[in-house]
Amino acid sequence: QQQVKQSPQSLIVQKGGISIINCAYENTAFDYFPWYQQFPGKGPALLIAIRPDVSEKKEGRFTISFNKSAKQFSLHIMDSQPGDSATYFCAPRMDSSYKLIFGSGTRLLVRP
Amino acid sequence: GAGVSQSPSNKVTEKGKDVELRCDPISGHTALYWYRQSLGQGLEFLIYFQGNSAPDKSGLPSDRFSAERTGGSVSTLTIQRTQQEDSAVYLCASSLALWSDEQYFGPGTRLTVT
Repeated sequence: QQQVKQSPQSLIVQKGGISIINCAYENTAFDYFPWYQQFPGKGPALLIAIRPDVSEKKEGRFTISFNKSAKQFSLHIMDSQPGDSATYFCAPRMDSSYKLIFGSGTRLLVRP
Repeated sequence: GAGVSQSPSNKVTEKGKDVELRCDPISGHTALYWYRQSLGQGLEFLIYFQGNSAPDKSGLPSDRFSAERTGGSVSTLTIQRTQQEDSAVYLCASSLALWSDEQYFGPGTRLTVT
């Protein structure tokens, strides 16, 4: 899935710290930018999403920052908790095509 | 309410056999999607349905893969003459409509081809 590059591949953070995951995309036609969270044995679940008319969106401890000119968006998890330990995927989409294009995933481990 | 359900949760099959994977979307959701999650390819789109129609089959890896949806509800993904490279977790998702932002995923079917 070369259209979407996600980094880092894995991340270890201490409880209370900030987790930052980045996603770079090539297709300028993307117009919906979600982050999905997946726990082992479960399907991905929508965590937070943004559209390109705003540069930042915050929901509780989770924030998306969007940089249209750089074709990047990132997920920030403030005050990271052990329960946040999961795999995170960026999955941008063109409204006209309906399918999500997933990044390669970031495995986050939050140590107590 | 009930989420997306998939069956079986695990399937082990011998190379060359056919398999059928089932997806029950959330009631009232008109759009249904199939994705595949594998170690080598990550999470990739296979096909989506609007009602019983499949406007985009572009992600199906080969003609051994087919899918159908009946009654605007249950969908079946069929893989004929399975190969070892078909081993993956097959995920189904549904949304209220195609243009809805959120896709709700089921827990997946883990397929192992021996």
